[in-house]
Amino acid sequence: EAGVTQFPSHSVIEKGQTVTLRCDPISGHDNLYWYRRVMGKEIKFLLHFVKESKQDESGMPNNRFLAERTGGTYSTLKVQPAELEDSGVYFCASSQDGVQPQHFGDGTRLSIL
Amino acid sequence: AQSVTQLDSQVPVFEEAPVELRCNYSSSVSVYLFWYVQYPNQGLQLLLKYLSGSTLVKGINGFEAEFNKSQTSFHLRKPSVHISDTAEYFCAVTKSGGYNKLIFGAGTRLAVHP
Repeated sequence: EAGVTQFPSHSVIEKGQTVTLRCDPISGHDNLYWYRRVMGKEIKFLLHFVKESKQDESGMPNNRFLAERTGGTYSTLKVQPAELEDSGVYFCASSQDGVQPQHFGDGTRLSIL
Repeated sequence: AQSVTQLDSQVPVFEEAPVELRCNYSSSVSVYLFWYVQYPNQGLQLLLKYLSGSTLVKGINGFEAEFNKSQTSFHLRKPSVHISDTAEYFCAVTKSGGYNKLIFGAGTRLAVHP
């Protein structure tokens, strides 16, 4: 069984540009989560999809971040325009319906210059 | 709301010595507890979980943790560490009963020396 896959693994962009991160959850997992870790701080929750619906987006920092999950399969997280403070590692996780634990991908390291 | 405190940011230890990584949590409702590990240049891997039942939980790679409700703790232990255990360890909590978001501690870097 393939795990959660994320790409790119690393992205370096300049301030003001746009970046899109992608996450493919484990097949059959309806729940998909985004988290990020900024500057060695805690890993913090961003949002949670159940299939294609946003269940909880309380952790999204501002309206420069847009997450989608069309068709309830893979998800994208777009940052537009990117700011310096957006640098960090963005993790995606998935889980079966109503079941823990969450399975994590390897993350995307985002560097804003 | 829940919160997690990992009391040690770094723990140095010699190979074959025992280790304990401490985790305390705060919550007004029942919780599930987890320990994840991140090896260098890799993603988060689940070490073990407490959902219900026995308070002593055994995980992969010889790790175990004990859920102590009265002390709101979930400390991670291993009786004898290896060089390969060098990694960052994260304690996490979530409300019990479903697919809620995880709240993470700040992480503990375990450095195993020969």
